[in-house]
Amino acid sequence: QVQLQESGPRLVKPSETLFLTCGVSGVSITNNNWWSWVRQPPGKGLEWIGEIYHDGRNTYNPSLKGRVDMSVDKSKNQFSLRLNSVTAADTAVYYCGRNGVYSVDYWGQGTLVTVSS
Amino acid sequence: EIVLTQSPGTLSLSPGERATLSCTASQSVSSTFLAWYQQKPGQAPRLLIYGASTRATGIPDRFSGSGSGTDFTLTITTLEPEDFAVYYCQRYGTSPLYTFGQGTKLEIK
Repeated sequence: QVQLQESGPRLVKPSETLFLTCGVSGVSITNNNWWSWVRQPPGKGLEWIGEIYHDGRNTYNPSLKGRVDMSVDKSKNQFSLRLNSVTAADTAVYYCGRNGVYSVDYWGQGTLVTVSS
Repeated sequence: EIVLTQSPGTLSLSPGERATLSCTASQSVSSTFLAWYQQKPGQAPRLLIYGASTRATGIPDRFSGSGSGTDFTLTITTLEPEDFAVYYCQRYGTSPLYTFGQGTKLEIK
């Protein structure tokens, strides 16, 4: 079955770059799906960050003001998130997911990333 | 940007009762683009409903979705203990592509 797993540093300093990777198993990342990142600040709701296709096409949430970049590594069947110039407001659980029918049908377990010096 | 408002913020019910959760959009949303998720503490969201009324794989039939235009509803006909969680509606559209409601917490009375 489809499984996703986030990995990366759990603590990032303010003004630095957050980098996470999502490993995908059970399906090829080159399948006919888009792949998303979603985040959730502690105790708050869900915010969609952006999506990427295996050919590199992407769409990002304008609210992140150009700080986001996503990439795909087909050889490793994984995709990645880079968020620049982080602040405490970027502290959140970050989820990766597979886009289904105008929704996210498979989710990783999530990883808490804390922005603090 | 279309805003999704969920009501009530918290719903207190007992197992065996019927739950009705609402999601109101600030502008009309195609029912094709409306989804519902369940999230339990410490877990990732779980897709329940897409296309406003189609149950996702493995979702019990006590969960149903309905609605059109600006008003959508998630109904749980007979609450089981494992149904107490936070529920989010989500809309697919433009800029940003995906937006979520603020959530409804379904708690045990």
